[in-house]
Amino acid sequence: EAGVAQSPRYKIIEKRQSVAFWCNPISGHATLYWYQQILGQGPKLLIQFQNNGVVDDSQLPKDRFSAERLKGVDSTLKIQPAKLEDSAVYLCASRGPYEQYFGPGTRLTVT
Amino acid sequence: AQKITQTQPGMFVQEKEAVTLDCTYDTSDPSYGLFWYKQPSSGEMIFLIYQGSYDQQNATEGRYSLNFQKARKSANLVISASQLGDSAMYFCAMRVDNQGGKLIFGQGTELSVKP
Repeated sequence: EAGVAQSPRYKIIEKRQSVAFWCNPISGHATLYWYQQILGQGPKLLIQFQNNGVVDDSQLPKDRFSAERLKGVDSTLKIQPAKLEDSAVYLCASRGPYEQYFGPGTRLTVT
Repeated sequence: AQKITQTQPGMFVQEKEAVTLDCTYDTSDPSYGLFWYKQPSSGEMIFLIYQGSYDQQNATEGRYSLNFQKARKSANLVISASQLGDSAMYFCAMRVDNQGGKLIFGQGTELSVKP
C-alpha cells in the first residue's frame, strides 16, 4: 500500500512570507496528525484531525498557523506570516491499528 | 503531565554488539502505548516496535526488543547484533489512549555503529 505522501520536500522562504504544505494520508486512515520537529528535538504535535474535524489543536500557534482537511482525506498546513523560529521539519502522519505512519516530511527554512 | 525522557543524547556501539537505549515515561493514565521510531539522516520516521500498557510480555520485532518495566516506568529499546545501517536517531514515544492517540516524543538518542 502507498505510504503517507507530503509535498514539497524542501522549502526556503523569507520571514513574513507565507507557505503551505500538503499531506495525503494512507488510504482509509481516518486520523491525521501534523507534527513540527525542530532540529535536535523530538516531534511535537501541532494539530490532529479525525476525518475532517479537529480533535486537538492546542499546540497550534493560531495567530499564524492554520490547517484544514478537506473531505477527510488530504490536508494542508499553512503558515502566514512565517517567522525565523518556524524553521523545522513538518511531519504528517496517519494512524493505523497501533502505530502512526509518517510521511517523509517537509524541511522548511525561514531566512 | 505526560512526559518521555531519553537521557542519552548519543551512544556508540561496535558492529555486531548489542546496545540498549533508555526511555522513561510519566503518565497517570492506566491505558497507554509505548513506541520506538528510527529516524535516519534522510528524515523519515520509521516505526520499530510497540508495547501496550496491558501487554504481559515484552515486545520483540526481529533484532529489536522492548524491555518494559511498568513499575519503574521504563521502556528501553534493545538492538541485538548492531549493523552499520542502525546508525540513526532513535525516538521513544508514548500514546495516551484517552487523549486522541497523539504521540508524545522524547528528545531522541543518536546511535552511531562503529565498524
